[in-house]
Amino acid sequence: RKEVEQDPGPFNVPEGATVAFNCTYSNSASQSFFWYRQDCRKEPKLLMSVYSSGNEDGRFTAQLNRASQYISLLIRDSKLSDSATYLCVVNGRSGGGATNKLIFGTGTLLAVQP
Amino acid sequence: ETGVTQTPRHLVMGMTNKKSLKCEQHLGHNAMYWYKQSAKKPLELMFVYNFKEQTENNSVPSRFSPECPNSSHLFLHLHTLQPEDSALYLCASSQAMGLAYEQYFGPGTRLTVT
Repeated sequence: RKEVEQDPGPFNVPEGATVAFNCTYSNSASQSFFWYRQDCRKEPKLLMSVYSSGNEDGRFTAQLNRASQYISLLIRDSKLSDSATYLCVVNGRSGGGATNKLIFGTGTLLAVQP
Repeated sequence: ETGVTQTPRHLVMGMTNKKSLKCEQHLGHNAMYWYKQSAKKPLELMFVYNFKEQTENNSVPSRFSPECPNSSHLFLHLHTLQPEDSALYLCASSQAMGLAYEQYFGPGTRLTVT
């Protein structure tokens, strides 16, 4: 089983649509969770952290379900500029040591159509 | 954006060449990372440095040799690479090695091994 698993997509949605991405992770000891965004041929950038109680930032809502080891990202009122790959990222200790290790999913490609 | 810079941005090298990738962070961070991103695969952590000390080598072949002379600079020395080493090499930094710290990525070096 992959450490972090995402539907690769692509998700093709019209402008204004609501779209949801899901992600599962295998290590129940994982402690921090993030969504990163990566535009074509660019570096990943943090979109938002994911907190246990769920959190919202404008049109973006992230939720975490520790019991099911499941993370989601909801984008409302999609814009053309939202087109990118969305990376689910889980942070945990590496091999029982002290290393801050980010584990990335392969990403979900979103294409917002005019 | 000048938070994390990488040079060169593109590199083509033969299998017998020796080259180096450079990363510099201007954020005052103490931890730096090398990642490899290949097509259709998730980002793979290669090396981690914390306060100039290497804390992780993620089973990377010895043809990749990192160097961290200070907390702001990170190098990746390359020699006798293989075509399968062609990928995007991303440098990242974070304030510290705590689990909740965001990692900031440089724009990457797109490497092609011929």
